[in-house]
Amino acid sequence: QKEVEQNSGPLSVPEGAIASLNCTYSDRGSQSFFWYRQYSGKSPELIMSIYSNGDKEDGRFTAQLNKASQYVSLLIRDSQPSDSATYLCAVDNNNDMRFGAGTRLTVKP
Amino acid sequence: DGGITQSPKYLFRKEGQNVTLSCEQNLNHDAMYWYRQDPGQGLRLIYYSQIVNDFQKGDIAEGYSVSREKKESFPLTVTSAQKNPTAFYLCASSILGARGYTFGSGTRLTVV
Repeated sequence: QKEVEQNSGPLSVPEGAIASLNCTYSDRGSQSFFWYRQYSGKSPELIMSIYSNGDKEDGRFTAQLNKASQYVSLLIRDSQPSDSATYLCAVDNNNDMRFGAGTRLTVKP
Repeated sequence: DGGITQSPKYLFRKEGQNVTLSCEQNLNHDAMYWYRQDPGQGLRLIYYSQIVNDFQKGDIAEGYSVSREKKESFPLTVTSAQKNPTAFYLCASSILGARGYTFGSGTRLTVV
Protein backbone atom coordinates (compact mmCIF):
# COMPACT_ATOMS: atom_id res chain seq x y z
CA GLN A 1 0.00 0.00 0.00
CA LYS A 2 1.43 3.35 -1.04
CA GLU A 3 1.03 5.73 1.88
CA VAL A 4 1.24 9.46 2.26
CA GLU A 5 1.27 10.59 5.88
CA GLN A 6 0.58 14.03 7.28
CA ASN A 7 0.03 15.32 10.78
CA SER A 8 -3.69 16.08 10.85
CA GLY A 9 -3.24 19.05 13.16
CA PRO A 10 -4.75 21.42 13.82
CA LEU A 11 -1.62 23.52 13.51
CA SER A 12 -2.11 26.98 14.94
CA VAL A 13 0.31 29.86 14.31
CA PRO A 14 0.06 33.60 14.97
CA GLU A 15 -0.25 36.01 12.07
CA GLY A 16 3.17 36.83 10.62
CA ALA A 17 4.80 33.60 11.80
CA ILE A 18 6.20 30.77 9.69
CA ALA A 19 3.94 27.73 9.31
CA SER A 20 5.71 24.43 8.68
CA LEU A 21 3.77 21.52 7.20
CA ASN A 22 5.29 18.08 6.83
CA CYS A 23 4.61 14.99 4.76
CA THR A 24 6.23 11.56 4.44
CA TYR A 25 5.62 8.98 1.75
CA SER A 26 6.32 5.29 1.36
CA ASP A 27 6.75 4.83 -2.40
CA ARG A 28 10.45 5.32 -3.23
CA GLY A 29 9.64 5.46 -6.93
CA SER A 30 7.65 8.67 -6.52
CA GLN A 31 8.70 11.36 -8.96
CA SER A 32 6.44 14.35 -8.52
CA PHE A 33 5.27 16.06 -5.35
CA PHE A 34 2.50 18.59 -4.85
CA TRP A 35 0.89 20.73 -2.19
CA TYR A 36 -2.79 21.62 -2.47
CA ARG A 37 -4.73 24.09 -0.35
CA GLN A 38 -8.36 23.28 0.45
CA TYR A 39 -10.67 25.75 2.11
CA SER A 40 -13.59 24.32 4.07
CA GLY A 41 -16.29 23.04 1.75
CA LYS A 42 -14.24 23.82 -1.37
CA SER A 43 -12.13 21.79 -3.77
CA PRO A 44 -8.33 21.51 -3.58
CA GLU A 45 -6.23 24.13 -5.33
CA LEU A 46 -2.67 23.41 -6.47
CA ILE A 47 -0.22 25.82 -4.82
CA MET A 48 3.20 24.19 -5.20
CA SER A 49 4.90 21.43 -7.14
CA ILE A 50 8.43 20.09 -6.71
CA TYR A 51 10.26 17.41 -8.67
CA SER A 52 13.88 17.41 -7.48
CA ASN A 53 15.67 17.47 -4.15
CA GLY A 54 16.10 20.83 -2.50
CA ASP A 55 13.99 23.92 -2.06
CA LYS A 56 11.57 25.65 -4.41
CA GLU A 57 10.27 29.09 -3.55
CA ASP A 58 7.16 30.85 -4.85
CA GLY A 59 6.27 34.04 -3.07
CA ARG A 60 5.60 33.26 0.59
CA PHE A 61 5.64 29.51 -0.06
CA THR A 62 8.68 27.24 -0.04
CA ALA A 63 8.48 23.53 -0.81
CA GLN A 64 11.31 21.28 0.34
CA LEU A 65 12.00 17.77 -0.92
CA ASN A 66 14.33 15.10 0.43
CA LYS A 67 13.90 11.90 -1.56
CA ALA A 68 16.44 9.96 0.52
CA SER A 69 14.35 10.60 3.63
CA GLN A 70 11.07 10.35 1.67
CA TYR A 71 10.03 13.68 3.10
CA VAL A 72 8.44 16.77 1.63
CA SER A 73 7.51 19.94 3.46
CA LEU A 74 5.81 23.27 2.87
CA LEU A 75 6.82 26.47 4.62
CA ILE A 76 4.51 29.47 4.63
CA ARG A 77 6.25 32.70 5.60
CA ASP A 78 4.45 35.73 7.01
CA SER A 79 1.32 33.64 7.58
CA GLN A 80 -1.98 35.41 7.07
CA PRO A 81 -5.47 34.56 8.36
CA SER A 82 -6.40 33.88 4.73
CA ASP A 83 -3.90 30.98 4.79
CA SER A 84 -6.18 29.15 7.23
CA ALA A 85 -7.14 25.99 5.36
CA THR A 86 -6.34 22.30 5.07
CA TYR A 87 -3.14 21.54 3.16
CA LEU A 88 -2.98 18.28 1.23
CA CYS A 89 0.28 16.64 0.26
CA ALA A 90 0.16 14.60 -2.95
CA VAL A 91 2.78 12.23 -4.35
CA ASP A 92 2.83 10.86 -7.88
CA ASN A 93 4.56 7.88 -9.43
CA ASN A 94 3.87 7.49 -13.14
CA ASN A 95 0.34 8.92 -13.07
CA ASP A 96 -0.55 7.14 -9.82
CA MET A 97 -1.28 10.11 -7.51
CA ARG A 98 -1.69 9.53 -3.77
CA PHE A 99 -3.00 12.11 -1.33
CA GLY A 100 -2.43 12.56 2.36
CA ALA A 101 -5.36 13.24 4.68
CA GLY A 102 -4.26 16.87 5.08
CA THR A 103 -3.08 19.18 7.83
CA ARG A 104 -5.49 21.81 9.09
CA LEU A 105 -3.77 25.17 9.56
CA THR A 106 -5.22 28.04 11.55
CA VAL A 107 -3.55 31.45 11.46
CA LYS A 108 -4.68 33.61 14.37
CA PRO A 109 -4.81 37.41 13.95
CA ASP B 1 -12.07 30.56 -19.21
CA GLY B 2 -10.87 26.96 -19.11
CA GLY B 3 -11.83 24.76 -16.22
CA ILE B 4 -13.77 21.82 -14.89
CA THR B 5 -17.47 22.03 -14.20
CA GLN B 6 -19.15 19.65 -11.81
CA SER B 7 -22.88 19.46 -11.35
CA PRO B 8 -24.96 19.46 -9.34
CA LYS B 9 -23.28 21.09 -6.35
CA TYR B 10 -25.58 19.26 -3.93
CA LEU B 11 -27.37 15.98 -4.57
CA PHE B 12 -29.70 13.92 -2.43
CA ARG B 13 -30.17 10.21 -3.04
CA LYS B 14 -32.86 7.94 -1.75
CA GLU B 15 -32.13 4.38 -0.72
CA GLY B 16 -31.91 2.07 -3.73
CA GLN B 17 -31.59 4.90 -6.23
CA ASN B 18 -28.86 5.40 -8.84
CA VAL B 19 -27.59 8.94 -9.32
CA THR B 20 -25.20 10.43 -11.87
CA LEU B 21 -22.68 13.18 -11.18
CA SER B 22 -21.57 15.28 -14.12
CA CYS B 23 -18.00 16.37 -14.87
CA GLU B 24 -17.08 18.43 -17.94
CA GLN B 25 -13.70 20.02 -18.76
CA ASN B 26 -12.59 22.37 -21.54
CA LEU B 27 -8.88 22.25 -20.73
CA ASN B 28 -8.13 19.68 -23.44
CA HIS B 29 -6.74 17.39 -20.75
CA ASP B 30 -6.37 13.74 -21.64
CA ALA B 31 -6.76 12.28 -18.17
CA MET B 32 -9.76 12.58 -15.87
CA TYR B 33 -10.31 11.28 -12.35
CA TRP B 34 -13.00 10.80 -9.76
CA TYR B 35 -12.18 11.02 -6.05
CA ARG B 36 -14.23 10.63 -2.94
CA GLN B 37 -13.45 12.67 0.18
CA ASP B 38 -14.80 11.81 3.63
CA PRO B 39 -14.29 14.03 6.69
CA GLY B 40 -10.77 13.73 8.10
CA GLN B 41 -9.64 11.46 5.29
CA GLY B 42 -7.58 11.95 2.20
CA LEU B 43 -8.85 11.73 -1.33
CA ARG B 44 -9.57 8.18 -2.43
CA LEU B 45 -9.52 7.32 -6.13
CA ILE B 46 -12.70 5.81 -7.54
CA TYR B 47 -12.03 5.65 -11.29
CA TYR B 48 -9.72 7.27 -13.79
CA SER B 49 -9.48 7.54 -17.56
CA GLN B 50 -6.49 8.45 -19.70
CA ILE B 51 -8.12 8.21 -23.13
CA VAL B 52 -11.60 8.20 -24.60
CA ASN B 53 -13.50 4.91 -24.30
CA ASP B 54 -11.08 3.57 -21.71
CA PHE B 55 -11.10 3.79 -17.93
CA GLN B 56 -9.59 1.99 -14.99
CA LYS B 57 -10.77 1.17 -11.47
CA GLY B 58 -9.21 2.99 -8.57
CA ASP B 59 -8.99 1.88 -4.96
CA ILE B 60 -12.72 2.09 -4.16
CA ALA B 61 -14.57 1.39 -7.44
CA GLU B 62 -17.19 -0.96 -6.00
CA GLY B 63 -20.68 0.52 -6.28
CA TYR B 64 -19.64 3.10 -8.88
CA SER B 65 -19.57 3.21 -12.67
CA VAL B 66 -18.21 5.66 -15.24
CA SER B 67 -18.09 6.27 -18.96
CA ARG B 68 -15.75 8.28 -21.19
CA GLU B 69 -17.46 8.72 -24.53
CA LYS B 70 -16.01 12.18 -25.11
CA LYS B 71 -12.68 13.68 -24.10
CA GLU B 72 -14.45 16.51 -22.29
CA SER B 73 -16.85 14.42 -20.22
CA PHE B 74 -16.45 11.83 -17.47
CA PRO B 75 -19.73 11.21 -15.61
CA LEU B 76 -19.85 9.11 -12.46
CA THR B 77 -22.86 6.99 -11.51
CA VAL B 78 -23.32 6.07 -7.87
CA THR B 79 -25.33 2.87 -7.91
CA SER B 80 -27.56 1.35 -5.27
CA ALA B 81 -24.76 -1.14 -4.60
CA GLN B 82 -22.75 1.63 -2.93
CA LYS B 83 -23.93 1.28 0.65
CA ASN B 84 -22.35 4.39 2.12
CA PRO B 85 -22.37 7.03 -0.64
CA THR B 86 -22.62 10.15 1.52
CA ALA B 87 -19.42 12.07 0.75
CA PHE B 88 -17.85 14.95 -1.17
CA TYR B 89 -17.07 13.87 -4.75
CA LEU B 90 -14.31 15.57 -6.69
CA CYS B 91 -13.55 15.35 -10.38
CA ALA B 92 -10.08 16.25 -11.62
CA SER B 93 -8.21 16.38 -14.89
CA SER B 94 -4.59 16.55 -15.94
CA ILE B 95 -2.21 16.48 -18.85
CA LEU B 96 -0.60 13.04 -18.99
CA GLY B 97 2.86 13.31 -17.46
CA ALA B 98 1.58 14.41 -14.07
CA ARG B 99 2.12 18.10 -13.58
CA GLY B 100 -0.63 18.34 -11.01
CA TYR B 101 -4.38 18.08 -11.23
CA THR B 102 -7.06 20.68 -11.76
CA PHE B 103 -10.12 20.00 -9.63
CA GLY B 104 -13.76 20.81 -10.18
CA SER B 105 -15.79 22.48 -7.44
CA GLY B 106 -17.17 19.18 -6.18
CA THR B 107 -20.55 17.55 -5.59
CA ARG B 108 -21.78 16.87 -2.08
CA LEU B 109 -23.93 13.74 -2.09
CA THR B 110 -26.22 12.91 0.81
CA VAL B 111 -28.40 9.84 1.30
CA VAL B 112 -31.85 10.69 2.63
